[in-house]
Amino acid sequence: DGGITQSPKYLFRKEGQNVTLSCEQNLNHDAMYWYRQDPGQGLRLIYYSQIVNDFQKGDIAEGYSVSREKKESFPLTVTSAQKNPTAFYLCASSIVAGEGYEQYFGPGTRLTVT
Amino acid sequence: GQNIDQPTEMTATEGAIVQINCTYQTSGFNGLFWYQQHAGEAPTFLSYNVLDGLEEKGRFSSFLSRSKGYSYLLLKELQMKDSASYLCAVLPIFGKGTTLSVSS
Repeated sequence: DGGITQSPKYLFRKEGQNVTLSCEQNLNHDAMYWYRQDPGQGLRLIYYSQIVNDFQKGDIAEGYSVSREKKESFPLTVTSAQKNPTAFYLCASSIVAGEGYEQYFGPGTRLTVT
Repeated sequence: GQNIDQPTEMTATEGAIVQINCTYQTSGFNGLFWYQQHAGEAPTFLSYNVLDGLEEKGRFSSFLSRSKGYSYLLLKELQMKDSASYLCAVLPIFGKGTTLSVSS
């Protein structure tokens, strides 16, 4: 079965700790994305990657970091510099970026920082 | 700047028709997407318009006017399971979503 996996579904951390969220896809897609969703805010783009070893900042990249060492993996690190890290994080992929290709989403990780 | 606007909430009754509007101002355009998202779940793809006009897919239809920067999603014969958030997107930018509540 092809798809996108994110783990874990729920994650709890103490303030001041960095935490890494995993995202893996076996769709052979070149482009991958990270979004953050807060109540009433829709999806906001954190980072995206169009190809291995390359990524660009989205609208709210501050306090986050990513890597794209393999085509199928795009982990997101929420650093202690992120002021309001508690949110629902969604990873997505598409065949390529732009050009009208839809994005497929993983099930999401709900991060709670206290 | 880039902006996608849609109403925050809408309500309707089972069996009715509802139209969810979306206006957009974006620096680029590769088509207008609609996604459905149930609470706590990932968004799922509903429709895509890149040319002006209406695209029909079962109970759901989507319309696009590129000159007006306007789209709508039309849901017919509403069912309780259609209660969800509907997201308009010019990828990778999303609107804030419209929460639709369907009552019996």
